[in-house]
Amino acid sequence: QLQLQESGPGLVKPSETLSLTCTVSGGFISSSTYYWAWIRQPPGKGLEWIGTISYSGNSYYKPSLKSRVTISVDTSKNQFSLKLRSVTAADTAAYYCARHVVCSGWPCHFDYWGQGTLVTVS
Amino acid sequence: DIQMTQSPSTLSASVGDRVTITCRASQSVSTWLAWYQQKPGKAPKLLIYKASSLESGVPSRFSGSGSGTEFTLTISSLQPDDFATYYCQQYNSYTFGGGTKVEIK
Repeated sequence: QLQLQESGPGLVKPSETLSLTCTVSGGFISSSTYYWAWIRQPPGKGLEWIGTISYSGNSYYKPSLKSRVTISVDTSKNQFSLKLRSVTAADTAAYYCARHVVCSGWPCHFDYWGQGTLVTVS
Repeated sequence: DIQMTQSPSTLSASVGDRVTITCRASQSVSTWLAWYQQKPGKAPKLLIYKASSLESGVPSRFSGSGSGTEFTLTISSLQPDDFATYYCQQYNSYTFGGGTKVEIK
């Protein structure tokens, strides 16, 4: 059974960089059938896709976040990571990592999710 | 970005009711749409993908339909475990709808 687990600081100061890692177990991150994504959810609000990366390092980002976001992958550790720079209180959210299914060569829906980790910017 | 609008935002229903949630896209997304269920404090769970395909392990009382700009998620007979918030998501730029909370009437 595939499992994803987010890890990283739960508290980040304004203007600093939020860094999270997602560890994938029960499966290999090196697959052309799946990409890997970060999604966030501010408290009491809806879901927002942040970005997606393939095992080979091809990445896609939400345009409004692109200038502040970097997603990277480490296949040797079966992990992928998120860095969000210059954070503000508006970046306070539960951050989820997820497996992004590839449909006809394009990432489509998210079929496995981590449990999420709350990051507070304060 | 393609905008996704869900209605209603809140729905009150009883066990056994047939429930329908609508998701509208600001431009055509063909059948590239998924539905998720989320319970408080938990990660979303995939229910439906490609507008009408049922994810493995999801009860058959859940169904999805639609194409282009209008989609529906139907729960044929609401069960106690179904009280949750439901989100649609399109595959073009991965935007989610605002969510529909299904409450106990």
